[in-house]
Amino acid sequence: SAVISQKPSRDICQRGTSLTIQCQVDSQVTMMFWYRQQPGQSLTLIATANQGSEATYESGFVIDKFPISRPNLTFSTLTVSNMSPEDSSIYLCSVEKTYEQYFGPGTRLTVT
Amino acid sequence: QKEVEQDPGPLSVPEGAIVSLNCTYSNSAFQYFMWYRQYSRKGPELLMYTYSSGNKEDGRFTAQVDKSSKYISLFIRDSQPSDSATYLCAISPQGGSEKLVFGKGTKLTVNP
Repeated sequence: SAVISQKPSRDICQRGTSLTIQCQVDSQVTMMFWYRQQPGQSLTLIATANQGSEATYESGFVIDKFPISRPNLTFSTLTVSNMSPEDSSIYLCSVEKTYEQYFGPGTRLTVT
Repeated sequence: QKEVEQDPGPLSVPEGAIVSLNCTYSNSAFQYFMWYRQYSRKGPELLMYTYSSGNKEDGRFTAQVDKSSKYISLFIRDSQPSDSATYLCAISPQGGSEKLVFGKGTKLTVNP
């Protein structure tokens, strides 16, 4: 398995600002993923982040809105840019190990 | 038609009951099937992982896959109050190294 931490655990932000979420894993992993979990909705994949390459974004998500960094094999960041109330959600990172995905505790974001 | 359909519940059962949680999916290309448990304000925790039709048992939990019907189930025997959580089914064409498609989750409450 993998132990994953995220910072911050929660935040309240104003419309038009940006927030960077950090994800740290306790061992080196090739693939990291960023998901969004909106109330009453399924977890939805935002992008896949592999170290040393550009993140791959899913339909409906763009790099200008959700830039991702992956500087090494244990760390990644997701930035939510120019936030609006519709961005209020839980953001989760996950990692792949031995063909299974493990999730962090999530970052609960509220945009006012 | 959504890729994965899951009855959101909520489901409330007495302690000791057998719980059945179900999902249907639409694309036969999906070959890997997972169940996650998510406690309130926590990240999803991988419970069961299977890629073949039939049953897979782990303690009080049994995952069942019927690829011909595109139907997956999770059974919980002798349910405990500590099983109270939201249960998410997830499917993937390639396993954990690929995008997971999630159901909306079923909220389960086990009453002592």
